[in-house]
Amino acid sequence: NAGVTQTPKFQVLKTGQSMTLQCAQDMNHEYMSWYRQDPGMGLRLIHYSVGAGITDQGEVPNGYNVSRSTTEDFPLRLLSAAPSQTSVYFCASLGGGSGTGELFFGEGSRLTVL
Amino acid sequence: TQLLEQSPQFLSIQEGENLTVYCNSSSVFSSLQWYRQEPGEGPVLLVTVVTGGEVKKLKRLTFQFGDARKDSSLHITAAQPGDTGLYLCADYGQNFVFGPGTRLSVLP
Repeated sequence: NAGVTQTPKFQVLKTGQSMTLQCAQDMNHEYMSWYRQDPGMGLRLIHYSVGAGITDQGEVPNGYNVSRSTTEDFPLRLLSAAPSQTSVYFCASLGGGSGTGELFFGEGSRLTVL
Repeated sequence: TQLLEQSPQFLSIQEGENLTVYCNSSSVFSSLQWYRQEPGEGPVLLVTVVTGGEVKKLKRLTFQFGDARKDSSLHITAAQPGDTGLYLCADYGQNFVFGPGTRLSVLP
């Protein structure tokens, strides 16, 4: 009963490096999303997807790319890491009916950009 | 753009005490949810409220939704160390908008 799985849990990058945060869910949820969590700012939506082949921008999309080739996987790519992208990243998928859905979160990926 | 505010930002209490935390929105909630996030984990849904004036209870937790659907409170009775965590309110509309959270520490 895995739910939402994120890898890696921790990553340190140098400014300008690129990387991909992986997210997979085994609940057959159509909606998946990526958030970043910074102290005192709550969770902010980066990108989301309502199904395979469909993605859209959230509140803070700059510097990040996503793709959704399958229902299960929703990777987040950092193109050229910057110190401002130091954060904890959460992937979440949406279960439940319309209007009363529940977000299921992964355990988070802590990224530090030097 | 909707803005959610939560108060207090931090709260540290002794085991057995009661507490209330608050969530206010700059606009009417579509559907209000409360999540709890423990250290090193992702948030977990506690409750969803939809109707103004609605009150829901989950063991020692009581959730109240304001009549105007712009504010909510979470009351914990006889807090326990297991209640420690970050409490987040969220509006579930087209997407989710989260508040900054109240970080609760319950000391044994």
